[in-house]
Parts: sequence; structure tokens; C-alpha cells
Amino acid sequence: AQSVTQPDIHITVSEGASLELRCNYSYGATPYLFWYVQSPGQGLQLLLKYFSGDTLVQGIKGFEAEFKRSQSSFNLRKPSVHWSDAAEYFCAVNNDYKLSFGAGTTVTVRA
Amino acid sequence: DTAVSQTPKYLVTQMGNDKSIKCEQNLGHDTMYWYKQDSKKFLKIMFSYNNKELIINETVPNRFSPKSPDKAHLNLHINSLELGDSAVYFCASSHRTGSNQPQHFGDGTRLSIL
Repeated sequence: AQSVTQPDIHITVSEGASLELRCNYSYGATPYLFWYVQSPGQGLQLLLKYFSGDTLVQGIKGFEAEFKRSQSSFNLRKPSVHWSDAAEYFCAVNNDYKLSFGAGTTVTVRA
Repeated sequence: DTAVSQTPKYLVTQMGNDKSIKCEQNLGHDTMYWYKQDSKKFLKIMFSYNNKELIINETVPNRFSPKSPDKAHLNLHINSLELGDSAVYFCASSHRTGSNQPQHFGDGTRLSIL
């Protein structure tokens, strides 16, 4: 079965600095990959998705992600974080209509 | 204009009780899901319904019984609640036209068992 791994449990970044969150997937063919964000006490909001085609995907809130087949990765990036980006971030792969989530990365933004 | 709405948002109850969580979506999707998020924030699928038919059942205790009266609603009934049932339960929906369809989530129901 397909799965994703998020190696970083917690990342602290200064406001205005760049952010990169790592996600590695395991699957032979091209996976359907997603990044979701969960703000405290909220549900999950879709940031972006990758199915095929252009390997650099643009999402909402200034986020982008790059699919790299050679590294089995789908890392999420933002050039300049805002305090409101403090949240839990989940990478997910669609596994026969079931989303399999990574363990999540908590992002803390310091002033 | 809420897309996926769950009620209640918070549920505090005693061990052994029976409770229900309701979910409704107004996105016109044909597939709905229940996920459980544990205290370590790990998310795992429990059930999925497509056009009122159960299509995914992920080794969930039979104390949990989903019900889909129509494709816009998926409710979750839990019998004989146990301490381990304490979690946040998320409802989601999507089109079942392909694995590339994103799922849209509700805000969750935080269930606390005393």
C-alpha cells in the first residue's frame, strides 16, 4: 500500500523566513499526493495537490510543492512565512480512495 | 455556505454511553468519509460511503456504526463508549470519479470520554 512519511515532527521558523516541509512517499507508479493544513481547533484545509504533469505545483496561501520522482519526495515550501502559518501540516497520498496521512509536522512561527 | 458541517463540535460523555455525530455536505459530492485523529494527531480512515453504500470499513470495532440516509449525509453512531474512543472525528467528502479528487473536511467533533 502507498504511504507517506514526514521526517520532521516539529519545525520552528522566524516570521519572514522561508519554510520547507519534507514528505517522502512509497509507491511504484505516480502517486496522487496532497498537502493539508490544520490550524488549531480547525479541520483540514487543502493546500495543493499533485497528480501528473508539471512537477512544481502552486497552492493557496503562497505555498508550493515540488514532486521529485528520483527522491520519492513531495516537499512543501513557502518563501516567507507569516505568523498565521503556525499550524499542523499533513502530507497525504490517495490509496484507492482512502487518504493515508503522514504523522504531521507542527510549524511554530516566532516573531 | 459551510461545505462540510459536523455536529456537535464538542461531545463530553461518560464511559458506556451511546452517542451520535452528524455530518452533512452541500458540495454535491457522492462519497463521504469518517476519519479519527488520535491524541498524537495521527489521522486514520474509518469508513467511506459512496451513494449511500459502504465501500470502506477499516477494521473498526462494531460498536461504531455509520449510517448514510442519503448521499449528502453520513452519521456516526457509537455504542458503549470506551476511554480509547476519545479523539477528534472528522467527516470528509469528495467526488468518486478518480483518486485525484481531493477530500474536503469538516471542522471535526472532539469526543471526550470521562
